[in-house]
Amino acid sequence: QQQVKQSPQSLIVQKGGIPIINCAYENTAFDYFPWYQQFPGKGPALLIAIRPDVSEKKEGRFTISFNKSAKQFSLHIMDSQPGDSATYFCAASLTGFQKLVFGTGTRLLVSP
Amino acid sequence: DAGVIQSPRHEVTEMGQEVTLRCKPISGHNSLFWYRQTMMRGLELLIYFNNNVPIDDSGMPEDRFSAKMPNASFSTLKIQPSEPRDSAVYFCASSSTVNYGYTFGSGTRLTVV
Repeated sequence: QQQVKQSPQSLIVQKGGIPIINCAYENTAFDYFPWYQQFPGKGPALLIAIRPDVSEKKEGRFTISFNKSAKQFSLHIMDSQPGDSATYFCAASLTGFQKLVFGTGTRLLVSP
Repeated sequence: DAGVIQSPRHEVTEMGQEVTLRCKPISGHNSLFWYRQTMMRGLELLIYFNNNVPIDDSGMPEDRFSAKMPNASFSTLKIQPSEPRDSAVYFCASSSTVNYGYTFGSGTRLTVV
C-alpha cells in the first residue's frame, strides 16, 4: 500500500512531442504528489507538485493531471525539448509525514 | 543559499573499510533524509530525521549501516565494514515542515572494491 507504481520505464520522443509519464498509488491517505527531475550526476530536483483537491496543475510546459477516483496521476511535458532529457520520478506522501514514497523512475530522451 | 552539501562527491574504498558520508542540510530545514540510488532498486529511503531525532530507520539495510545527526546542521551516514554491494550513489535531502518539497544534495558516489 505504500508503493507508487510508475510507467513507462523509458520513453523516447521527438522534439516538440508530448511525453506522458503515469503513476498509480493504492493508499488513499496520500495527499501530496510531487514530481522530481534528475539529470546525470545530479540529485533529483522538485519540478512540480499537486494535492488531491485539484485535478490539474500547470507550471510552464509541465502539467500534472490527477484522477483521485482512479488513484492515478501523470506528468505531461508540452513542446518537449532535448534539454528535458532526464529521469523523472513521481512520489507521494501523507499529511503530517514528510516521508516521500518514490516511483521507480522514467528515463526520458527527447531527440532533436 | 548553498543548498544541501554532501561530501565527499566520490569515494572509492576497499571492502572491509569504514566509510563515512557527510551532509549539511539547508539552514532552517528540520527534516533530513538519506537515500541510496542504484539502477536495480531505484531510490531507497534509508533513514530520516526530524528535529535531529531519527524517526524511521526501517530502510537501513543491516547493522553495518548507521546514521547520526548530532545537530541541525550536520549528519553522517557510516558503513562499517563496507562491502561491494554497498556501491551506489547516496543522497542526502532536507525539507521543512512548511513545504513538503525535498531539496537533494548532489550525492556521494561510493565504490567498494
